[in-house]
Amino acid sequence: NAGVTQTPKFQVLKTGQSMTLQCAQDMNHNSMYWYRQDPGMGLRLIYYSASEGTTDKGEVPNGYNVSRLNKREFSLRLESAAPSQTSVYFCASSMSPDTEAFFGQGTRLTVV
Amino acid sequence: QKEVEQDPGPLSVPEGAIVSLNCTYSNSAFQYFMWYRQYSRKGPELLMYTYSSGNKEDGRFTAQVDKSSKYISLFIRDSQPSDSATYLCAISNTGNQFYFGTGTSLTVIP
Repeated sequence: NAGVTQTPKFQVLKTGQSMTLQCAQDMNHNSMYWYRQDPGMGLRLIYYSASEGTTDKGEVPNGYNVSRLNKREFSLRLESAAPSQTSVYFCASSMSPDTEAFFGQGTRLTVV
Repeated sequence: QKEVEQDPGPLSVPEGAIVSLNCTYSNSAFQYFMWYRQYSRKGPELLMYTYSSGNKEDGRFTAQVDKSSKYISLFIRDSQPSDSATYLCAISNTGNQFYFGTGTSLTVIP
């Protein structure tokens, strides 16, 4: 019973490097989300996908891109990483946008 | 002004105490309210979900929404050391984008 799986769990990048964070859910959920969590800032929504084939910007989308590859997978890409993107990234999914969201274990990203 | 404000604590209580966690919000249109629990180095997990106003009880946990005051609360009765975690409130007016509080760190001392 995996739920929401994120890879990798840890990553260190140099400024300017690119990377993709992967997320997959096995609960047949329609909606998926990417959040970042920073000390004193709480969880902030980067992008979300209300259903397969759609994506929308959240509160802090600058510097990120997303792809809803299929119903199960939602990836987050950093094209040119910056130190300000050092954070813990959480992927989440829910059956619909107004129902319970289930979170993954997080990806701890450090940009040096 | 932030959409939702939450006292970060930390809050430390003895085992068996009643814990009160609170958030205030700015927009009276908000009508979806959630409380999440997050253990250290883990993802948040949903504790309580409330639509509109009123109270909701689940075991030792009670969520209250006071829309007139724009104030939401989570009460934990008979607190246990296993309740030690960070508690996050989340609110929304559409259900599409939830705004999270910064979280309150709780420690229950045996």
